[in-house]
Amino acid sequence: GESVGLHLPTLSVQEGDNSIINCAYSNSASDYFIWYKQESGKGPQFIIDIRSNMDKRQGQRVTVLLNKTVKHLSLQIAATQPGDSAVYFCAEIMNTGFQKLVFGTGTRLLVSP
Amino acid sequence: NAGVTQTPKFQVLKTGQSMTLQCAQDMNHNSMYWYRQDPGMGLRLIYYSASEGTTDKGEVPNGYNVSRLNKREFSLRLESAAPSQTSVYFCASPPYPRRGPSGPDTQYFGPGTRLTVL
Repeated sequence: GESVGLHLPTLSVQEGDNSIINCAYSNSASDYFIWYKQESGKGPQFIIDIRSNMDKRQGQRVTVLLNKTVKHLSLQIAATQPGDSAVYFCAEIMNTGFQKLVFGTGTRLLVSP
Repeated sequence: NAGVTQTPKFQVLKTGQSMTLQCAQDMNHNSMYWYRQDPGMGLRLIYYSASEGTTDKGEVPNGYNVSRLNKREFSLRLESAAPSQTSVYFCASPPYPRRGPSGPDTQYFGPGTRLTVL
């Protein structure tokens, strides 16, 4: 089975609820942020991104909020579905001359029917 | 269009054995990356290749070597495997999976190689 995420913080919600997953990033110079979803046994899947000159961006059922003052990023999932159950990672891109992603540790989302 | 492919999917090694993880992308991208993912941690960059013919160390390069064989292929080699290298290994290649008017490329990941070193 999947060994990734055994000790991750976990958010448990009921189907239909809204979910909020939080992330603190490390570098105030980071200018681009991404949320990934990782299902068991698979690679990370891009969900949504946001640039540092924005504080909110909306996608389909998802919204990302960026608070640069406190270096905080959140992912809001509306009307959470069982298929949303996965580990969610935030990642920041530090412009070091070559774009490399730095990942957070992740949050496991469990959605109960 | 397969995107990023990795082989093998699973591997068990004994301490001291060597092996090469293969990665290929068919998107004609310049840059390719190797990450490892351990339980309770996010992905950490091992090595990357900005373009064909170049490679650079990432956050955790010790115990690994890489080869950018051509534009499509980027391999990761463990010369003498250690139990600390038990992990899930992901290869990735830009660009951004959803086109936008500006912003950096976003990596596109392969399915992973699950490696156990006994």
